[in-house]
Amino acid sequence: KAGVTQTPRYLIKTRGQQVTLSCSPISGHRSVSWYQQTPGQGLQFLFEYFSETQRNKGNFPGRFSGRQFSNSRSEMNVSTLELGDSALYLCASSQGSAETQYFGPGTRLLVL
Amino acid sequence: GESVGLHLPTLSVQEGDNSIINCAYSNSASDYFIWYKQESGKGPQFIIDIRSNMDKRQGQRVTVLLNKTVKHLSLQIAATQPGDSAVYFCAENMGSGSARQLTFGSGTQLTVLP
Repeated sequence: KAGVTQTPRYLIKTRGQQVTLSCSPISGHRSVSWYQQTPGQGLQFLFEYFSETQRNKGNFPGRFSGRQFSNSRSEMNVSTLELGDSALYLCASSQGSAETQYFGPGTRLLVL
Repeated sequence: GESVGLHLPTLSVQEGDNSIINCAYSNSASDYFIWYKQESGKGPQFIIDIRSNMDKRQGQRVTVLLNKTVKHLSLQIAATQPGDSAVYFCAENMGSGSARQLTFGSGTQLTVLP
């Protein structure tokens, strides 16, 4: 089976812009979770989607949002970018929320 | 303002030796634990998992030990190889029903010396 894929792999934006990141889960996986990874904060949970519904949300401001499509592909959006949003954004898929999560390679976002 | 980076614990081992990476978890109600390996520039890679009804599980060259009494998890890597150099994270799956989520530790940087 193909693994989790994320696009784009690298992105440079300026403050105030918005960005959309995409994640395609492993075939058959219905749960997609998003994480932010930074040197200062480590791996932090953003949100989880299951069957097109946000089921769980971490402690991030409303500028961070996401959605999931009927084919389980997911997107996350960050509006009004800030310098502190520079990070590696990781997507992980699993069959269910109590199951092992498999990660994609991440999208590295740099905000200037 | 100035940001302070996480101070990752580090472990250096000689090639061929065994490695033991430790992790303390926070929630006594967590019932599922996972070890991930993250190489530079890549996403975390699943290594091995264990459920709370077990205290040991073995994979290929890896063993995970779970001590629920002291909320401690360890990953043992046998005959450590250069390709094992990476950051290792433990994660606990906590919550109930649809509110379950993975919470990650800060990671341990493993360096394999030639």
